[in-house]
Amino acid sequence: QKEVEQNSGPLSVPEGAIASLNCTYSDRGSQSFFWYRQYSGKSPELIMFIYSNGDKEDGRFTAQLNKASQYVSLLIRDSQPSDSATYLCASTDNYGQNFVFGPGTRLSVLP
Amino acid sequence: DGGITQSPKYLFRKEGQNVTLSCEQNLNHDAMYWYRQDPGQGLRLIYYSQIVNDFQKGDIAEGYSVSREKKESFPLTVTSAQKNPTAFYLCASKPAAGNQPQHFGDGTRLSIL
Repeated sequence: QKEVEQNSGPLSVPEGAIASLNCTYSDRGSQSFFWYRQYSGKSPELIMFIYSNGDKEDGRFTAQLNKASQYVSLLIRDSQPSDSATYLCASTDNYGQNFVFGPGTRLSVLP
Repeated sequence: DGGITQSPKYLFRKEGQNVTLSCEQNLNHDAMYWYRQDPGQGLRLIYYSQIVNDFQKGDIAEGYSVSREKKESFPLTVTSAQKNPTAFYLCASKPAAGNQPQHFGDGTRLSIL
């Protein structure tokens, strides 16, 4: 059973701090990783994707991938109350098969 | 604008009734998916389709049925056999080949009357 695991939270950080969200995966065949943000009552929206080991930055967001440790993370710098949401980690193989979502981590940014 | 349209936004089902949720996309994506999300829970895969006239069961297909007669459309029927249908239903699509992300519609919230 291919799995993606996340700490369900809630993760609480003060406004302006760095929020660190973590994700581990069981399938070594997973090659691509995605972070989605889901506000309460809304559908998931794609924030970032990462395919290669290392860091990928996009504005206040940085995705980090370590395939040897089967670990993906999302850092949110200068966290804002509007970042309060559930963050879903997902993985897939290189053929677009076996798309697997984690259960999500709930983030609360306190003003 | 390209996107995924789910309708209706809210749906109510009576006992013993089948209801159909619509999902239409104009992104020219080959693969389409249906997920169920219960309050405070993650996404659970119901059915997916990689190509027209072909679809596969996901983890929780019992009580649901789908069709894929057109590339743009992937309707989901919640049958009377699904005894606990109250949930948020999400449709997603992606190009079939390669490591592209899924994109989601706005969802349909189904409740029992």
